[in-house]
Amino acid sequence: DTGVSQDPRHKITKRGQNVTFRCDPISEHNRLYWYRQTLGQGPEFLTYFQNEAQLEKSRLLSDRFSAERPKGSFSTLEIQRTEQGDSAMYLCASLRPGELFFGEGSRLTVL
Amino acid sequence: RKEVEQDPGPFNVPEGATVAFNCTYSNSASQSFFWYRQDCRKEPKLLMSVYSSGNEDGRFTAQLNRASQYISLLIRDSKLSDSATYLCVVNDEGKLIFGQGTELSVKP
Repeated sequence: DTGVSQDPRHKITKRGQNVTFRCDPISEHNRLYWYRQTLGQGPEFLTYFQNEAQLEKSRLLSDRFSAERPKGSFSTLEIQRTEQGDSAMYLCASLRPGELFFGEGSRLTVL
Repeated sequence: RKEVEQDPGPFNVPEGATVAFNCTYSNSASQSFFWYRQDCRKEPKLLMSVYSSGNEDGRFTAQLNRASQYISLLIRDSKLSDSATYLCVVNDEGKLIFGQGTELSVKP
């Protein structure tokens, strides 16, 4: 158990619906990262936070994706108007200097 | 050009073999480097950091070549349990960027 928890673990939705994922990092970790991973690929960087501040968002990320970390603790990742191409594993990780600790991920399937 | 590139493999090797993976990165200002291991259907976990002078952890040796902008991982005396995907990770000014991973399969 790495201490990073993600919810839900699995989400099946219809195209066009909105989905939200939640990540609870290890409590003393200030940095939190979101990644997306598809089969046969490495985790693709989406965005990251230092406490409540969003420091960078991937240029590859469309405006349908938004992430927040309002109190510098848990974070949410929302995808609006989902598309089939959004089907992937969404991974959250929190950082201790030199090491990322990942949650088990939230798997999204868009029908 | 991708920020971090790896040969995806798969590398199929017999037990006891030595195998090496390379990874190149595009941003010369990148500050730190890591190798992660990912088992099938699991989350990535840190294998080892990569230090400028090179470093070893048991059967695993990591090296960094800043001039050529690549890092490497050498696995000696490979075990069946080494079968996994190996991901190189580059700290690109705060962003932690993963390569696509190299799949290793160690056979009896």
